[in-house]
Amino acid sequence: EDQVTQSPEALRLQEGESSSLNCSYTVSGLRGLFWYRQDPGKGPEFLFTLYSAGEEKEKERLKATLTKKESFLHITAPKPEDSATYLCAVQAYGSARQLTFGSGTQLTVLP
Amino acid sequence: DTGVSQNPRHKITKRGQNVTFRCDPISEHNRLYWYRQTLGQGPEFLTYFQNEAQLEKSRLLSDRFSAERPKGSFSTLEIQRTEQGDSAMYLCASSPHGGRVTNEKLFFGSGTQLSVL
Repeated sequence: EDQVTQSPEALRLQEGESSSLNCSYTVSGLRGLFWYRQDPGKGPEFLFTLYSAGEEKEKERLKATLTKKESFLHITAPKPEDSATYLCAVQAYGSARQLTFGSGTQLTVLP
Repeated sequence: DTGVSQNPRHKITKRGQNVTFRCDPISEHNRLYWYRQTLGQGPEFLTYFQNEAQLEKSRLLSDRFSAERPKGSFSTLEIQRTEQGDSAMYLCASSPHGGRVTNEKLFFGSGTQLSVL
């Protein structure tokens, strides 16, 4: 069974204080790993897809990296508007289109 | 592109009643998904349509749940004989036809929050 574990559950940062969120996964064969951002009362918003170990993707203050067992979402010099829950999900070969999500990391960036 | 639309946004019902939710995907998207999310958890897959065909259904999905997507456009999710454990946010998502390219960039709606009293 595919599993995704995210840590920490919650993270509070001062504005400008860089940090990383972790996503550890167990999957029979990784088709893709996904990062989403979710604001309160809204559906998840797509950020990145990573397909193979060593791959990196960047968007503004966010950079996602992937190894064979985990992914990191690095946040550089965060701003209060980066406050949200960040969700990691995996898709396995043979699972058709199903995504398995982790429980998320709730990020709060204080001004 | 008006995004994925879900109605209603909130639904309060009594235990034992039936409820139905509607999802209107982005118009050119042929793939549609239903997920369920409880507080503090990530979304949990329920079912998936490609056009009007329901191609995948979670083994965890009770037979009280049924979903349809007539004509491959909007979709409905019905829960019969609701239970308190059904209380959750029900999320709909859509994605474009990707051919052989693996691209599961899902566009989510804002969800329907169900409260079963």
